Amino acid sequence: EAQVTQNPRYLITVTGKKLTVTCSQNMNHEYMSWYRQDPGLGLRQIYYSMNVEVTDKGDVPEGYKVSRKEKRNFPLILESPSPNQTSLYFCASSLSSLAGGPQETQYFGPGTRLLVL
Amino acid sequence: GNSVTQMEGPVTLSEEAFLTINCTYTATGYPSLFWYVQYPGEGLQLLLKATKADDKGSNKGFEATYRKETTSFHLEKGSVQVSDSAVYFCALRRGGGSYIPTFGRGTSLIVHP
Repeated sequence: EAQVTQNPRYLITVTGKKLTVTCSQNMNHEYMSWYRQDPGLGLRQIYYSMNVEVTDKGDVPEGYKVSRKEKRNFPLILESPSPNQTSLYFCASSLSSLAGGPQETQYFGPGTRLLVL
Repeated sequence: GNSVTQMEGPVTLSEEAFLTINCTYTATGYPSLFWYVQYPGEGLQLLLKATKADDKGSNKGFEATYRKETTSFHLEKGSVQVSDSAVYFCALRRGGGSYIPTFGRGTSLIVHP
């Protein structure tokens, strides 16, 4: 089954304790991205990756890191989490970054709810 | 910069009522426009899309027409069901080397039996 998986689904942590949220897709997609969803703000892109070893900042990259060493995986790293990073996080992938066709349709993971105390 | 404005929710309807969720956008050029749906506890799913002016996207009884003259992409459905209760997001993605999509804030739809 074609899917995007994220782990963990729920996480409670404390300020400053490094954490990683994993994301994996089995569709051989080139483009992957991370979003955070906050009430009243919709989705905002954190980072994206157009292919292996190619990553770039989205709208709200501060406090986050990513890496893309393999095509299927795109982990999100919070080196020193703070309470303002409490949010619902989504990973998404699409066949390519090219606009205007079916290849740009994004497939979303189920989400990771993070609480930073 | 790019922006997407959606009507505020929640929108509360009775089953079989007509649905409209307004979406207007600001962007240069000719962006692709999308509606995504998020059911409780799940990630977003693409509902429909349109890639050029006057295109109509449709899926599961939902429709939206890309209106460049009014910069709008309103979502409509003729007869909603309880199972349509969800949060709906309008989004755009500008081409020409832009890789960051812009999402609206989402509109919650509640359908009562």
